Amino acid sequence: QSVLTQTPSASGTPGQRVTISCSGSSSNIGSNSVNWYHQLPGTAPKLLIYSNNQRPSGVPDRFSGSKSGTSASLAISGLQSDDEADYYCAAWDDSLNGQVFGTGTKVTVL
Amino acid sequence: QLQLQESGPGLVKPSETLSLTCTVSGGSISSSSYYWGWIRQPPGKGLEWIGSIYYSGSTYYNPSLKSRVTISVDTSKNQFSLKLNSVTAADTAVYFCARRASGTSHFDYWGQGTLVTVSS
Repeated sequence: QSVLTQTPSASGTPGQRVTISCSGSSSNIGSNSVNWYHQLPGTAPKLLIYSNNQRPSGVPDRFSGSKSGTSASLAISGLQSDDEADYYCAAWDDSLNGQVFGTGTKVTVL
Repeated sequence: QLQLQESGPGLVKPSETLSLTCTVSGGSISSSSYYWGWIRQPPGKGLEWIGSIYYSGSTYYNPSLKSRVTISVDTSKNQFSLKLNSVTAADTAVYFCARRASGTSHFDYWGQGTLVTVSS
């Protein structure tokens, strides 16, 4: 059961900027940091952004995250064919005392 | 380089218990700096956190699964395990193990995942 809501799909042409949104509530995004993962078919999710806007080593600066209130966004600039994947937001939820994930967004490169 | 590897039966009968083990290599599961978790993904669907464990044995479970889940740790083998009882077809999923640093909420290392099918 997904507590965080994402737009099911997003698309763009190579070089474009794509933004993915993630909507939550005061018990999760509103009071805790947001993380983003991307997942290629048949593979494990990979950490893309943590603590709202931090990139792990090796993640290009084309990926950026932000948070405002109970919503968060992931932006992909300079879209590349390799970016075609599923993207999930996640956060700690104080009410559940556990992790919650978003519903996922499939990014397609046209 | 830290590596996590899930192992266990790929097929479980309805009403029985699903048992998986995650073996950690390239690092110690006894580190006070990390929690170890299980996440699952039904075919074609999103991710669901199952629960997490600290090396001391402290556990946190998803409330929706809490009555059926047990996560344990074996520091001598550098492994942690998942047991999910009374399974149904709805528990068919790819099960991932992963690591989370203490004081953070993100999973930075993941296993490759293992598909468990519940069917008679």
